[in-house]
Amino acid sequence: EVQLVESGGGLVQPGGSLRLSCAASGFNFNNSWMHWVRQAPGKGLVWVSRINIEGTSTSYADSVKGRFTISRDNAKNTLYLQMNSLRAEDTAVYYCARNRHKENYFDYWGQGTLVTVSS
Amino acid sequence: QSALTQPRSVSGSPGQSVTISCTGTSSNVGGYNYVSWYQQHPGKVPKLIIYDVNKRPSGVPDRFSGSKSGNTASLTISGLQAEDEADYYCCSYAGSYTFGVFGTGTQVTVL
Repeated sequence: EVQLVESGGGLVQPGGSLRLSCAASGFNFNNSWMHWVRQAPGKGLVWVSRINIEGTSTSYADSVKGRFTISRDNAKNTLYLQMNSLRAEDTAVYYCARNRHKENYFDYWGQGTLVTVSS
Repeated sequence: QSALTQPRSVSGSPGQSVTISCTGTSSNVGGYNYVSWYQQHPGKVPKLIIYDVNKRPSGVPDRFSGSKSGNTASLTISGLQAEDEADYYCCSYAGSYTFGVFGTGTQVTVL
């Protein structure tokens, strides 16, 4: 059974930091590009970041560039998102999702973890 | 990249067909045949229902179909059913750096 399980969300003050994790199982993590997608309360889906299979290439949405860092540990089948300098507008459910190598869609999604940035 | 444009809501009676448009630019929808659609019920995780413009994953009913013309992609739900009431998001590949741009989302209501 395919599973993507996010953790690490919670309440943080503006300017603070948080590290999200996404543990993968049931599929070939080492053949998967991985992504973070977020959804603010009552709003739509927004792509945040992606990392290639080897972890050597990353990219970010303009809204998080320079503040967020995506990484992965293929030995642990785990994806990470380090979030620094958090702002109120970063409040959202954060989903990890994967696209299989050479495909261009998200076929597996985690259940999401809520990040709330508030004083 | 700006979000792709979708109508805020569409509605139809059971058995009818509804079509959701998704308008982008030549840098995303018009430039690649990599449009995907996701269904999201309230409080649930998005589910892939269409990929590569018009392909359906295993298990997705053939009532769902996709197409594209120029910079606009479309999702059609034929034979609308009560369980189709959900939010729908398009997403287009937009190059190796940005990867994916989502649409603004459309709420489908079954009357």
